[in-house]
Amino acid sequence: DIQMTQSPSTLSASVGDRVTITCRASQSISNWLAWYQQKPGKAPRLLMNKASSLESGVPSRFSGSGSGTEFTLTISSLQPEDFATYYCQQYNSYSSFGGGTKVEIK
Amino acid sequence: QVQLVQSGAEVKKPGASVKVSCKASGYTFTSHNMHWVRQAPGQGLEWMGTITPSGGSTNSAQQFQGRLTMTRDRSTSTFYMELDSLRSEDTALYYCARMLTSGSYNDAFDIWGQGTMVTVSS
Repeated sequence: DIQMTQSPSTLSASVGDRVTITCRASQSISNWLAWYQQKPGKAPRLLMNKASSLESGVPSRFSGSGSGTEFTLTISSLQPEDFATYYCQQYNSYSSFGGGTKVEIK
Repeated sequence: QVQLVQSGAEVKKPGASVKVSCKASGYTFTSHNMHWVRQAPGQGLEWMGTITPSGGSTNSAQQFQGRLTMTRDRSTSTFYMELDSLRSEDTALYYCARMLTSGSYNDAFDIWGQGTMVTVSS
């Protein structure tokens, strides 16, 4: 099984900050990686596919990069609606998720 | 519009089974594989397994093998997830989630059900 490790687990930031979340895979997954945003009481929302492909309707302040085993999700200028928990997911071999990164208000 | 509507909350005793349904609409039922994901209270997402809607073949995460059964009913466009031998650690919100690309075996999940809360308690 492929293990996904996210860091940090919690991130405190202010509106307007640049925020970066890291996700590492236990083995190479090429670019078979997605990022999701989840708000309390809601299902996850797909933000990014194939590591860096932004889903329709997702603001351009979100960007993704990486391949192989190391990936990042960057929010260029944090907005109030971005405070949420973010998960990475590999789908190279079935699927598995990272532990999540909670982005909270500083 | 494309949507997945899941069955309502369940309360079960340890050792019992639970069956959750996920009714798909707004797209061709057989075109997108379906996955099941769960989330324990305050915890992260855990992938459980997947089913192909056309042939019904399944694959599940190792920790659920032997306890998890995934099926589908093409006549009603409904997927089912049954988990046996429930224990308190199975208390979680269970989601069905559609694979993004038609016919794909490697893809993200673009449409999610609203979730079904399963509580296991004596």
